[in-house]
Amino acid sequence: GAGVSQTPSNKVTEKGKYVELRCDPISGHTALYWYRQSLGQGPEFLIYFQGTGAADDSGLPNDRFFAVRPEGSVSTLKIQRTERGDSAVYLCASSQSGSLGETQYFGPGTRLLVL
Amino acid sequence: AQTVTQSQPEMSVQEAETVTLSCTYDTSENNYYLFWYKQPPSRQMILVIRQEAYKQQNATENRFSVNFQKAAKSFSLKISDSQLGDTAMYFCAFKDSGYALNFGKGTSLLVTP
Repeated sequence: GAGVSQTPSNKVTEKGKYVELRCDPISGHTALYWYRQSLGQGPEFLIYFQGTGAADDSGLPNDRFFAVRPEGSVSTLKIQRTERGDSAVYLCASSQSGSLGETQYFGPGTRLLVL
Repeated sequence: AQTVTQSQPEMSVQEAETVTLSCTYDTSENNYYLFWYKQPPSRQMILVIRQEAYKQQNATENRFSVNFQKAAKSFSLKISDSQLGDTAMYFCAFKDSGYALNFGKGTSLLVTP
């Protein structure tokens, strides 16, 4: 595709439920990033994939959050037992190879609301 | 810890005028990159301009330019001939040897007719 795409655009769920957020990066980009943007804040790093492997998951807030990228392209961010504090916009970005200084291209995000 | 500070939560400028958005950052590394991203209401983060820390020359992209002061750890964005379509949140970000972009809290820019 021409850019990074994310689905769904919006997701409303109830506290305690499980959600999956999908990211489709720019074709050929081996580096993929997930960020979380809370209201009134800048994006905060969650996890970085290089190919199929999570090279850095230091930003995941706790073990309820998990992400996969099984074939090195599409990635899914999974949140178990959602809490109201998980409400935020989840942004995905990709870059060519992950090297220093590369531009990260962002998708439109998924707005998650936990009731 | 690396931090990015944007001291202006909101700014307003009239169409065709010039506005400068401020950003300061803190890092102990010598090699890093700085970015300004624009986020309109559509939520899509769009790269406006980038600067490599080892380059002394300030980056320019059409109406957008930066004033990079490495010793002061300052990276301001100047928008010339402001247009209504420039209305958006603007985020300053930097990236060093880590994988993540480190973002400030953003400045909300309103361009008025």
